[in-house]
Parts: sequence; structure tokens; C-alpha cells
Amino acid sequence: GENVEQHPSTLSVQEGDSAVIKCTYSDSASNYFPWYKQELGKGPQLIIDIRSNVGEKKDQRIAVTLNKTAKHFSLHITETQPEDSAVYFCAASTGGGYQKVTFGTGTKLQVIP
Amino acid sequence: NAGVMQNPRHLVRRRGQEARLRCSPMKGHSHVYWYRQLPEEGLKFMVYLQKENIIDESGMPKERFSAEFPKEGPSILRIQQVVRGDSAAYFCASSQKDEQYFGPGTRLTVT
Repeated sequence: GENVEQHPSTLSVQEGDSAVIKCTYSDSASNYFPWYKQELGKGPQLIIDIRSNVGEKKDQRIAVTLNKTAKHFSLHITETQPEDSAVYFCAASTGGGYQKVTFGTGTKLQVIP
Repeated sequence: NAGVMQNPRHLVRRRGQEARLRCSPMKGHSHVYWYRQLPEEGLKFMVYLQKENIIDESGMPKERFSAEFPKEGPSILRIQQVVRGDSAAYFCASSQKDEQYFGPGTRLTVT
């Protein structure tokens, strides 16, 4: 089955700096890669996703990149703000009708004011 | 359009009791997924259901755990004879296509 590895497990940045979280996956059939943000005591919230036919996608301060050859994808947050502090999960799935999503182990991001 | 709803938000059970967790998917969504999350850990897939069908239960323990998604009403995750190791946050997610949207979770504590 699919295996998703995520690094780093914790990340501290100064407010205004950029944060980068990296993930690798094992199943070359995976073609859908969502990212989730989970705040304390809440459910994961989908913040951005990317499909395998696209190399990069941007939404305001958040961007994701995908390298299918190397089987890795990354989340970039620019101009970080204290409200970006949360746990971020990457995930991979084969898409289509059945969405068995495999999650990474999470990155705890702390943005220091 | 209301999001995914789960209830109860918090559930306390004594060892040996039964726990019933409910999930109402987003309107128009026919796929429901259940995940378990231990403190400081990631999300572990348990089961995937469509209306009246279990599609994949490979992540769910064979004993004591069951799930259903009836034609009418919410999806239910049932844990019989709970043990302390069942204490965790249980999340459901729903989807219609690729994107899964999560509910706020049920935090189960077994005393």
C-alpha cells in the first residue's frame, strides 16, 4: 500500500518568514495530494490540493509543488502569521471514485510573533 | 451548506461499555470515511462506506468495531466492550469526488 513520509515533525519560524514542509510517497499510482491544517481540538481542514497533471499550485500565501518523478511534494507558506500555527498533514491517494487517502505523520508549525 | 457533523463531541465510557459515534456527511456527499487519531499522532484510516455498503474496512479491528451507513440517517461507528486503548479522537470525513471534508471529531475517553 501507499506510504507517505513527512518532514520535519516540528517547525518554528519567525512571523513573516517562510515555512516549507516536505512529503514523499511510494505508490506511483497516486495522483491526488491534499494538504490539511489541524488546529488544536478541531478536525483537519483542507487548505489546498494538487493533482498529478500539475506541477505547482498557488493560493494566496500557500503554494504546493509536486515532482512526480521523484515522488515528492511540498507545502510552502510565505509571510507566516501567528494564526498559521497548527499541525499540517500531507496526504496521497489514487483519486477517482474510491478515495483511500494515506496521511503523513504531521508537522507541528509554530509561528513566533 | 452545513459541513460534516459529528456527535457527540465528547464521550466518556467505562471499560466494557459500548460507544456509538455518529457522522452526518455534507449534503450531496455519498462517501463516508472514519479515521482514528491518537494524541500527537496522525490520522489512521479505519473504514470507507457508501450508502448501505462497506467498501473498505481494512483499517478497522476485526473484533468489537463495526460501522454502517444506512440509506436514511447518519453513519455510525460502533465500538463494543470498550478498553482504555480505544481512547482517541475519531473523525469522519465525507466526499463526493476527490476532496474529503472532515467533521470536528468525537473524543472518546475510556475510564
